[in-house]
Amino acid sequence: DIQMTQSPSSLSASVGDRVTVTCRASQTISNYLNWYQQRPGKAPKLLIYGASNLQSGVPSRFSGSGSGTDFTLSISSLQPEDFATYYCQQTYSTPYTFGQGTKLEIK
Amino acid sequence: QVQLQESGPGLVKPSETLSLTCSVSGGSLTSYYWNWIRQPPGKGLEWIGYVYYSGSTSYNPSLKSRVTISVDTSKNQFSLKLNSVTAADTAVYYCARGRPGSYYAFDDWGQGTLVTVSS
Repeated sequence: DIQMTQSPSSLSASVGDRVTVTCRASQTISNYLNWYQQRPGKAPKLLIYGASNLQSGVPSRFSGSGSGTDFTLSISSLQPEDFATYYCQQTYSTPYTFGQGTKLEIK
Repeated sequence: QVQLQESGPGLVKPSETLSLTCSVSGGSLTSYYWNWIRQPPGKGLEWIGYVYYSGSTSYNPSLKSRVTISVDTSKNQFSLKLNSVTAADTAVYYCARGRPGSYYAFDDWGQGTLVTVSS
């Protein structure tokens, strides 16, 4: 199985800050890397697919980059609704695997 | 936008079979991969497996011996069966659509249903 490792596991930030979350794959996954946002009690929501493609309807303050084994999710100016848990996921090969999650909290 | 809705018992006894159905509205099952994912309380996401609209499947090896996922295109739904459950199978179970043209990303999800394994 391909292991996905996110860092940090938790992050405190303020409204208006720029934040970056990192995801590393245990082997190359080309750009088959997706990012999801999950708010408490809700289903995950797709933000970014294929490492850098913004899902329809997702604000442009979200962006993704990377290829191979190292990827990043950036939020350019945090809004109150962005405080949630973020997961990366590889869909390069089955079994599809997720990172352990990064919880973004208000400072 | 397609909508997905999970349904099934919220309580299952140990050693019995967990059965869930995902009903899809607002779109066809054709040309997509239909996934099941679970999330134990307070923990991360685990992919269980998928069924393609044609009926082909792929399962997580960690669950493969206990899992069956099937599709019924006439009813626009797909199903999950997990047998010989234990308390470790207690989780919120989600169904989600995988889109081949977008790196198989899961672009639509059901709201999730909590299944508790307990006697």
